[in-house]
Amino acid sequence: DAGVIQSPRHEVTEMGQEVTLRCKPISGHNSLFWYRQTMMRGLELLIYFNNNVPIDDSGMPEDRFSAKMPNASFSTLKIQPSEPRDSAVYFCASSLYTGKNTEAFFGQGTRLTVV
Amino acid sequence: QKEVEQNSGPLSVPEGAIASLNCTYSDRGSQSFFWYRQYSGKSPELIMFIYSNGDKEDGRFTAQLNKASQYVSLLIRDSQPSDSATYLCAVNLRTNAGKSTFGDGTTLTVKP
Repeated sequence: DAGVIQSPRHEVTEMGQEVTLRCKPISGHNSLFWYRQTMMRGLELLIYFNNNVPIDDSGMPEDRFSAKMPNASFSTLKIQPSEPRDSAVYFCASSLYTGKNTEAFFGQGTRLTVV
Repeated sequence: QKEVEQNSGPLSVPEGAIASLNCTYSDRGSQSFFWYRQYSGKSPELIMFIYSNGDKEDGRFTAQLNKASQYVSLLIRDSQPSDSATYLCAVNLRTNAGKSTFGDGTTLTVKP
């Protein structure tokens, strides 16, 4: 398996533009996580899906952020409109949740820069 | 109080020494505990998980869990320069089954 695949790897956009980040989880995994990592705030969970259903979106910073998982093999995180403070590395991770073991496998991340 | 707390470091040890990384958590009912390693500019990767009180060894790595003290640690024996990275503690809190809450990480430098 190729692991969790994220695209793009790098994104530079202007303030106010819409940004869409994409993620393909590991085949067979039933849980998907979107994280954001910055020096100031560390690794923050934004949203968590289980069986394509959003379970916990309490980490989504505000209404400008939205996430979807239309099927088991694809998820998107959208920021509209983007702001400079959204600049961070965004990780997607997936796991096979069996009730106890939640070992997460991370993608390579998308480095977002909003200017 | 943060749900998962780690010594921010940085921690510096000489090559060949034992590196000790510590983590405390707030939810007494937490069940699963993970240590991830993150090299600079890379994504986190799992190196150890532990569910039961006591020690779990895997090569040069030992995870220790004490649920009564709400404490989990990672020991790295015979530290190598290649172990230099940020180590993230993650806890599956009882209140958030299915997801892990991460600490801020401890940066370890192993000096040759």
